[in-house]
Amino acid sequence: EVQLVESGGGLVQPGGSLRLSCAASGFTFSSYWMSWVRQAPGKGLEWVANIKQDGSEKYYVDSVKGRFTISRDNAKNSLFLQVNSLRAEDTAVYYCARFRGRTDFDYWGQGTLVTVSS
Amino acid sequence: QSALTQPRSVSGSPGQSVTISCTGTSSDVGGYNYVSWYQQHPGKAPKLMIYDVTKRPSGVPDRFSGSKSGNTASLTISGLQAEDEADYYCCSYAGSYTLVFGGGTELTVL
Repeated sequence: EVQLVESGGGLVQPGGSLRLSCAASGFTFSSYWMSWVRQAPGKGLEWVANIKQDGSEKYYVDSVKGRFTISRDNAKNSLFLQVNSLRAEDTAVYYCARFRGRTDFDYWGQGTLVTVSS
Repeated sequence: QSALTQPRSVSGSPGQSVTISCTGTSSDVGGYNYVSWYQQHPGKAPKLMIYDVTKRPSGVPDRFSGSKSGNTASLTISGLQAEDEADYYCCSYAGSYTLVFGGGTELTVL
């Protein structure tokens, strides 16, 4: 059974940083692109970033470029999102998702909440 | 990377059909046959319902169907059931390995 479990969210002040993690199991992690998708409270979904199987390609939504970094550790079946220079508008549940390509996120975690507030 | 436009809400009675639209531009919806639809129940993670405009993943009922014309994609749910009540999001490829979601549509089964 495919499982994705996020962790690392919490309350952080504007300008602060967090490192989000996603532990994957039930599939060959190194064979898939992976993604982060976020959802602000009461709002819609927003694609944040994708990373290729070997980490050699990474893509981001414009609003997080230069502030967020996606990475992975295939030996530990783990996906990460380093979020820096946080703003109030980054407050959201951050979902880890397995990405099949095109626009297909076929498995999702339950999300981790990041709250940016002073 | 502007969000795709979806109606804020739609509704229908059990057994009826509803259609949810998703309007973008020639740079996203209209430029590629890469549109997917996600169902999200309150407090739950999204679920893939349609991909590549018209394809259904294994396990998704054939009551769910997708289509596209020009810059607008559509999700049609026929034979509405109570469990279909949820939020629905479209997602399109937007070029240069980027993706864009719609703002979401709340479906109410009356």
